[in-house]
Order: sequence, then C-alpha cells, then structure tokens
Amino acid sequence: GAVVSQHPSRVICKSGTSVKIECRSLDFQATTMFWYRQFPKKSLMLMATSNEGSKATYEQGVEKDKFLINHASLTLSTLTVTSAHPEDSSFYICSVRGAQNGELFFGEGSRLTVL
Amino acid sequence: GQQVMQIPQYQHVQEGEDFTTYCNSSTTLSNIQWYKQRPGGHPVFLIQLVKSGEVKKQKRLTFQFGEAKKNSSLHITATQTTDVGTYFCAGRGAAGNKLTFGGGTRVLVKP
Repeated sequence: GAVVSQHPSRVICKSGTSVKIECRSLDFQATTMFWYRQFPKKSLMLMATSNEGSKATYEQGVEKDKFLINHASLTLSTLTVTSAHPEDSSFYICSVRGAQNGELFFGEGSRLTVL
Repeated sequence: GQQVMQIPQYQHVQEGEDFTTYCNSSTTLSNIQWYKQRPGGHPVFLIQLVKSGEVKKQKRLTFQFGEAKKNSSLHITATQTTDVGTYFCAGRGAAGNKLTFGGGTRVLVKP
C-alpha cells in the first residue's frame, strides 16, 4: 500500500494566524488526494479533493477561501487554514486512494489547536 | 445525499467475548470498506466488500455485505485488548467515487 506522511503532527497557533499542513505520498504518485477533518470522537468528514495541477473540489459547506488547498506535484498536497479561529481546532487527515481496491491510505494526521 | 449509519456508537466488551457492529446505508452501495483507528492514530484499511452477500474473514474478524448491498456487519470473536479502537465502515455509492464514512463504533475492552 501507499505510504502517506503528514507534517506537522501537532500545531498550536494563535487566533488569526494561518497554518499550513503538508501531505506527502512517499511511494505513490497521487493525482488525487483527499483532505478529511475529524472532531473528537466523531467520524471523518471529507473536506475537499485535491487535484494535481488544477483546482481542488470542495464539499458542500466547506469554505474554499478558509481552507486553501494546493496540489503542485504528484507527491505533495498542502492545506492552509487561513486566519484560524478556535472553532477550526480539529484533527486534519489526508489520504490517497490505492490503485487496487480504491482503499484509502491515510497520513498520520495533524492536530490543530487554535488558542 | 448518501448517509451511512453505524450502531452501536460505543461497545464495551469483556475480553474473550464476541461482538458485532452494524453499518447501514440510505442508498445502495457499489462497495463497502472497513477501517480501524486506534486511539490517537489514523484510520487503517481493513477490507473491502463488493459482491452482494459477500463474507470475508481476517483471523477473528468476519465481515459481511448484505444481499441488498445497503448494510454490512463486522463480527469479532474472542475479543482481545489489541482490538481496542474505532471501527469505521465507509460506503461508496453506486454512482461514483465518493466514500461516505459511518460514525464509527468505539470499542473498549475490559480485561
């Protein structure tokens, strides 16, 4: 399966700052990556689909100006939470889709805390 | 839109006992996947079911896809402390690519 790495694993920031999270596919060229958000003890909510070389596709209710996604290469997608507020505190996880079964391989996740 | 529900939300199990978690979709699925997320970790793919009525086993885990392809179950026998975690089902709609995750079943094992 694919190996996916996320950085940073934890970040604490002040309200109003922007935070960038990187997602790397280490052994797999991913034209598509998926960004999920997970609240404590809750399910995974798809935020957006990141497409290499083109604009991301956002799910209904997700603000594209708030959550900027860039997928500049086949191995790297970034999620920038702009002007973060405490309600943006969450666990953000990226994933790539496997070629065989269409299963998702997830990164380790990034826990964002906005003070 | 497509909704995927899981029950129970929480499962407290005595070590050595069996339990089952259920997954129900509001629409017919093309396939269903199961994932396990350990506390503090990220989801890890367990299995995919595609055919109506399909049953697959992984050691003590038995996965089943309903005949109508709208529900699925995961049965764990002789629960061990290593089974602790949250088990998510994720259904892919008949139309296309999107996976919709259920709410998960959080499993706690009492030694």
